Amino acid sequence: AQSVTQPDIHITVSEGASLELRCNYSYGATPYLFWYVQSPGQGLQLLLKYFSGDTLVQGIKGFEAEFKRSQSSFNLRKPSVHWSDAAEYFCAVEYIFGTGTRLKVLA
Amino acid sequence: DGGITQSPKYLFRKEGQNVTLSCEQNLNHDAMYWYRQDPGQGLRLIYYSQIVNDFQKGDIAEGYSVSREKKESFPLTVTSAQKNPTAFYLCASTRDRAGGELFFGEGSRLTVL
Repeated sequence: AQSVTQPDIHITVSEGASLELRCNYSYGATPYLFWYVQSPGQGLQLLLKYFSGDTLVQGIKGFEAEFKRSQSSFNLRKPSVHWSDAAEYFCAVEYIFGTGTRLKVLA
Repeated sequence: DGGITQSPKYLFRKEGQNVTLSCEQNLNHDAMYWYRQDPGQGLRLIYYSQIVNDFQKGDIAEGYSVSREKKESFPLTVTSAQKNPTAFYLCASTRDRAGGELFFGEGSRLTVL
């Protein structure tokens, strides 16, 4: 069965620092992978997706993610975090979601 | 503009009452999904439908029911059999049955008193 693991429930970073959110998945074939972001009380917005091809994908708001088949990982990164990035981030394999990582940004 | 509309946004009900949450999409998407969101548990799949008049149970279908009589509509009923119905419910759709980007509504927050 498909599953997604986000090992970090909460992450706190200072504004301007780099960010990496971890995601590991279990899936029998090459998966469709996604990162979504959710502001409080709202629906989810797509940040980026991987279907095939280049394993480093670029998304909106300066985010990127790298697909590593050997590690079954799809980690999300951003070189310099802005205060407006504070939100909850979800990794997904097709329509199966991880438990999310809540990001707090310190001024 | 195309999108997904969930209603109502907030709903209060007494224990033992059935509640129906509406989800309508005008994206002409084939597949639709219902998720339940609780703090610290991410999004858990309740039901999904890949085509009209067909739907499948997700991980937490007990106490819920759905119908898909029209392509654009996928209502969710929270029945009195659901033991802990207070939650945030999200509806989503994908363009086709082969997976792909999920488009989400704004959610419905159900509180059972």
